[in-house]
Amino acid sequence: DAKTTQPTSMDCAEGRAANLPCNHSTISGNEYAYWYRQIHSQGPQYIIHGLKNNETNEMASLIITEDRKSSTLILPHATLRDTAVYYCILKKGGSNYKLTFGKGTLLTVNP
Amino acid sequence: DADVTQTPRNRITKTGKRIMLECSQTKGHDRMYWYRQDPGLGLQLIYYSFDVKDINKGEISDGYSVSRQAQAKFSLSLESAIPNQTALYFCATSDTGQGWYGYTFGSGTRLTVV
Repeated sequence: DAKTTQPTSMDCAEGRAANLPCNHSTISGNEYAYWYRQIHSQGPQYIIHGLKNNETNEMASLIITEDRKSSTLILPHATLRDTAVYYCILKKGGSNYKLTFGKGTLLTVNP
Repeated sequence: DADVTQTPRNRITKTGKRIMLECSQTKGHDRMYWYRQDPGLGLQLIYYSFDVKDINKGEISDGYSVSRQAQAKFSLSLESAIPNQTALYFCATSDTGQGWYGYTFGSGTRLTVV
């Protein structure tokens, strides 16, 4: 699976949008960008995923560049409970492929 | 009740002891996984199982073994625990059906080997 690059940490003010970038310049055509988050020592939680189109759900939006070499996770109105480590993971389509976690981005939402 | 339940939640054991971590799920998923997380690092895959008769090694399987007793149960054993196996352990499940293939994680087992 291709590698991702994320900033080690980011800060965001409560109520503002949090934009978390992920670089995946070597992504292959059948790899999806998945986003998970892990709130202090809890099990990781699925947020969203996408292949090439932008996606939105009740938790977040995912913007994928046209060349698919990077993506941005957007939390539109960050709250203190969104403080967590956010993982951007590439995974090939199909259930036989496994999630491989990097170190992620620690997002700290400040009051 | 949680979809993926891990027991125990916390465990302290001595070097050389055998210990088993258990995972059970009510998701009806075929695929189950064991991950390990060291402080400040991401999760590393230890073992995974795509069905009851299928067991596969992950990135860091040395020192660990697993048993898939049923579709819903997947246990991880440390045959002779050592201090550098002190970590947070997570079990996860995923589906083989159509649609997205996200994982559901348990709440973790914090293991300390002294």
